[in-house]
Amino acid sequence: GENVEQHPSTLSVQEGDSAVIKCTYSDSASNYFPWYKQELGKRPQLIIDIRSNVGEKKDQRIAVTLNKTAKHFSLHITETQPEDSAVYFCAVGGSTGFQKLVFGTGTRLLVSP
Amino acid sequence: KAGVTQTPRYLIKTRGQQVTLSCSPISGHRSVSWYQQTPGQGLQFLFEYFSETQRNKGNFPGRFSGRQFSNSRSEMNVSTLELGDSALYLCASSLDQGAYNEQFFGPGTRLTVL
Repeated sequence: GENVEQHPSTLSVQEGDSAVIKCTYSDSASNYFPWYKQELGKRPQLIIDIRSNVGEKKDQRIAVTLNKTAKHFSLHITETQPEDSAVYFCAVGGSTGFQKLVFGTGTRLLVSP
Repeated sequence: KAGVTQTPRYLIKTRGQQVTLSCSPISGHRSVSWYQQTPGQGLQFLFEYFSETQRNKGNFPGRFSGRQFSNSRSEMNVSTLELGDSALYLCASSLDQGAYNEQFFGPGTRLTVL
């Protein structure tokens, strides 16, 4: 089955710096790559997603890039703010044709003022 | 529209008991997926239901089961509870319009097995 690896497990940055989180996956049939943000005690919330026919997608300070050949995708957050502090999960879907997501192990991002 | 809701929010059970968790999807969403979240294993897919049928199943023992009703509400059941079943159980709903759709998560049910 699908296997998703996510790095780093923790990331500490200063406010205003950029943060990059990377994920690799194993199933070349996967075609949907969402990123979720989970604040402490809250539900995961989708922050951005990309489909396999697109190489890059941007939404204000957040961007995701996808390299299907290498089977990896990355989340980029620019001009980080303290409220960006949370756990970020990458996920992979689409290989089964149904709404199943396989998640990475998460990255705890801490943005210090 | 109201978001995904889950009941109960917290549950404490003892080993050997069984438990039923409930999930109400966003109005109009027909697909409901369930995930188990633990500190050690992260978010793991349990199963997905669409139009009252289980379409996909993760690698969990048969003690974990679910169902979906005609109004798309879903329940999951865990029988013969074990200590390792302590986790946050999340359900997510999506429109499922052919292509992959965004999944909206509920707040989760925190299950503690003593």
